[in-house]
Amino acid sequence: QKEVEQNSGPLSVPEGAIASLNCTYSDRVSQSFFWYRQYSGKSPELIMSIYSNGDKEDGRFTAQLNKASQYVSLLIRDSQPSDSATYLCAVLDGSSNTGKLIFGQGTTLQVKP
Amino acid sequence: DGGITQSPKYLFRKEGQNVTLSCEQNLNHDAMYWYRQDPGQGLRLIYYSQIVNDFQKGDIAEGYSVSREKKESFPLTVTSAQKNPTAFYLCASSIHRESETQYFGPGTRLLVL
Repeated sequence: QKEVEQNSGPLSVPEGAIASLNCTYSDRVSQSFFWYRQYSGKSPELIMSIYSNGDKEDGRFTAQLNKASQYVSLLIRDSQPSDSATYLCAVLDGSSNTGKLIFGQGTTLQVKP
Repeated sequence: DGGITQSPKYLFRKEGQNVTLSCEQNLNHDAMYWYRQDPGQGLRLIYYSQIVNDFQKGDIAEGYSVSREKKESFPLTVTSAQKNPTAFYLCASSIHRESETQYFGPGTRLLVL
């Protein structure tokens, strides 16, 4: 069974610090990876997608992908209290063309003022 | 104003009752998905549809049914066979199955009376 693993946390960081969120996946043929942010009681919203090894930056967010290690991470620079949420890692099922995403259980981030 | 709408926001089900959750999108997306989220867990795929009049079972389809008669609409019925229906139900869509980026509606929270 294909799996996506995240540390459920909570991960607590002070305001202004860098938050590092990690995700490992079991499907070696996956080619597409996503980070979603989910505030309590709300639906997930897409933050970043990444398809190639290396780093991808968008504002305060940087996604990092290492396919050889089957590892994807999200860095949040200058963390703000408004970043406090659950972050979901999602991986495209690489063995089918269904567009099916496999989600991790999420990491809860707490940014303390 | 384009987007995905879900209704109702909250739904209460009595024992033995079938209930239907609505999902509508005006994004002209081909693919639509239904997920279930339980507290502290990631999203699990119930059903998905890549084209009108066609849909496939996801990982946890038992006790659920769907239809896709129109491109814009993908309603989910929670039948009496689903013995533990209390959860947060999320509908998502993507342009087509090859475009894996999925966007989510606001969700419906189903509670059992």
